[in-house]
Amino acid sequence: DAGVIQSPRHEVTEMGQEVTLRCKPISGHNSLFWYRQTMMRGLELLIYFNNNVPIDDSGMPEDRFSAKMPNASFSTLKIQPSEPRDSAVYFCASSAGQGSEAFFGQGTRLTVV
Amino acid sequence: GESVGLHLPTLSVQEGDNSIINCAYSNSASDYFIWYKQESGKGPQFIIDIRSNMDKRQGQRVTVLLNKTVKHLSLQIAATQPGDSAVYFCAENSGNTPLVFGKGTRLSVIA
Repeated sequence: DAGVIQSPRHEVTEMGQEVTLRCKPISGHNSLFWYRQTMMRGLELLIYFNNNVPIDDSGMPEDRFSAKMPNASFSTLKIQPSEPRDSAVYFCASSAGQGSEAFFGQGTRLTVV
Repeated sequence: GESVGLHLPTLSVQEGDNSIINCAYSNSASDYFIWYKQESGKGPQFIIDIRSNMDKRQGQRVTVLLNKTVKHLSLQIAATQPGDSAVYFCAENSGNTPLVFGKGTRLSVIA
């Protein structure tokens, strides 16, 4: 397996634009997580899914953020409209479920100017 | 003055020496713990895990110790190498909750 695949690796966009980050979890994993990493706040959990169902989105900063998982092999994190303070590295991770390690993708470095 | 960013604890170790990275956790219900390594420009990478029914687990050059009494976790790296330079995170969870990550410790290996 190629591991968790995220795209794009880097994204530079202007304030106000819509940004969509993509993630392909490891095949067979039933939990998917979106994290954001910044110098100020470290690694923060934004939202996670079990069996494609969003379980806890309390970490999503604002209504500008939304995430979907239409099937077991694909998830998106969308920011609309984007703001400079959204600049961060966004990680997707997947796991086989309860009590197992999460495997991380390489991340998407988002810069909003 | 106001902090402008996370001040990661830094551990500087001479190449060949052993490293010990510590982590305190607060949730007494946590029953699963993981150490991750994050190199620059990469995602966190699993190193070793331990469950709450154990107090020690060994891997290749790494050992994790768990002290549930004082809610403390440590990662020991034997014969530290330059490739071990990275930020190390502990993570914990309980039941069906997602992993909660600590703030991280930067390990710097001096050649």
